[in-house]
Amino acid sequence: AIWMTQSPSLLSASTGDRVTISCRMSQGISSYLAWYQQKPGKAPELLIYAASTLQSGVPSRFSGSGSGTDFTLTISCLQSEDFATYYCQQYYSFPPTFGGGTKVEIK
Amino acid sequence: EVQLVESGGGLVKPGGSLRLSCAASGFTFSSYSMNWVRQAPGKGLEWVSSISSSSSYIYYADSVKGRFTISRDNAKNSLYLQMNSLRAEDTAVYYCARDGPRGGDAFDIWGQGTMVTVSS
Repeated sequence: AIWMTQSPSLLSASTGDRVTISCRMSQGISSYLAWYQQKPGKAPELLIYAASTLQSGVPSRFSGSGSGTDFTLTISCLQSEDFATYYCQQYYSFPPTFGGGTKVEIK
Repeated sequence: EVQLVESGGGLVKPGGSLRLSCAASGFTFSSYSMNWVRQAPGKGLEWVSSISSSSSYIYYADSVKGRFTISRDNAKNSLYLQMNSLRAEDTAVYYCARDGPRGGDAFDIWGQGTMVTVSS
């Protein structure tokens, strides 16, 4: 299985901040990486797939980058509705695996 | 509207069984691979099982292999997860999720989840 290290696990930020979340793979996965947002009590929602492609309807302040083993999710200007937990996921090979999550909280 | 709705969760004793269902609507269900993903209370996401559009390919996480069975009925637009020999560590919210249109893809549509509690 491919192991994923997502960091940080907790991120304290203010509205308007630029934030970045990292995801590192135990082996190369080309660009087969997705990012999800999950709010308390809700199902995850797909934000980005293929490492950098924005899912339809997702605001442009979200962006993804990277390939191979190192990936980044950036929120350019944090909004109140962005405080949530974010997960990366690799779908390069079975089993598909998720990172441990990054909770973005209000500073 | 594209939608997935899970049902069948509940409280079950260790060693017991439960069958989860996921009703799909708003898209051509038979064209998509489907997945089950679970989330234990306060924990992260864990992939459980996947099934291809025609049920030709089925995969399970090691943690459930031999105990859980995924299936689908394309005529009924439904996905199922038969869970046997349940353990306390199977306690979680179970989500069904659709593979994206490119196949072997990110999970682009998720249901609201159904809670499974395994406890005596």
